[in-house]
Amino acid sequence: ELVLTQSPGTLSLSPGERATLSCRASRDIRRNFLAWYQHKPGQAPRLLIYGVSRRATGIPDRFSGGGSGTDFTLTINRLEPEDFAVYFCQQFESSPYTFGQGTKLESK
Amino acid sequence: QVQLQESGPGLVKPWETLSLRCNVSGASIKSVGYFWTWIRQPPRKGLEWIGTIYFTESVYYNPSLKSRVRLSVDSSKNQFSLELSYVTAADTAVYYCARLRDEWGHFDFWGQGVPVTVSS
Repeated sequence: ELVLTQSPGTLSLSPGERATLSCRASRDIRRNFLAWYQHKPGQAPRLLIYGVSRRATGIPDRFSGGGSGTDFTLTINRLEPEDFAVYFCQQFESSPYTFGQGTKLESK
Repeated sequence: QVQLQESGPGLVKPWETLSLRCNVSGASIKSVGYFWTWIRQPPRKGLEWIGTIYFTESVYYNPSLKSRVRLSVDSSKNQFSLELSYVTAADTAVYYCARLRDEWGHFDFWGQGVPVTVSS
């Protein structure tokens, strides 16, 4: 099973700052099948990024994804109040399809 | 706008079968290239992929659950369903349905989730 490890577990930042979230895979994700989601309590998870760096429809350009191989990042520039949530990564490289355990982005 | 809505009992007894349904609106469940998926999140744990079904009824299951899971699709009602048999407390979780787009293997729309507790 391909394990995704996210860090940090919790990130405390202020609005206007930049957030950098990490997702590390236990082996190479060669086909770029790596996505990022935002999840707020009581809401449906929201797709942000797919194919490592492709922004989903309607996602502001302050969200960006990057990386390759086993190391991937989600960067959120100029944090807005509505960005504070849990973020998780997901791989489709191999079955079973797995998720990271999540990073909680909280307001300082 | 594509919307998915889970429904089903919130409480299931141990060793019984958990049955959930996902109603899809705003898109046809027979859309080419889109697969229909169940995912769950136990309390204080990460998300777990349960299984995925295509409208042709091709199914793909997580090996860890394969012996107890059955997915089905009802194209006439634009719905798909999950049955998980012989449940235990470890199956207590929030269950989500989601649409998988096979082009890049991402879940582009999700339901809000339905909490299910396994308890006598």
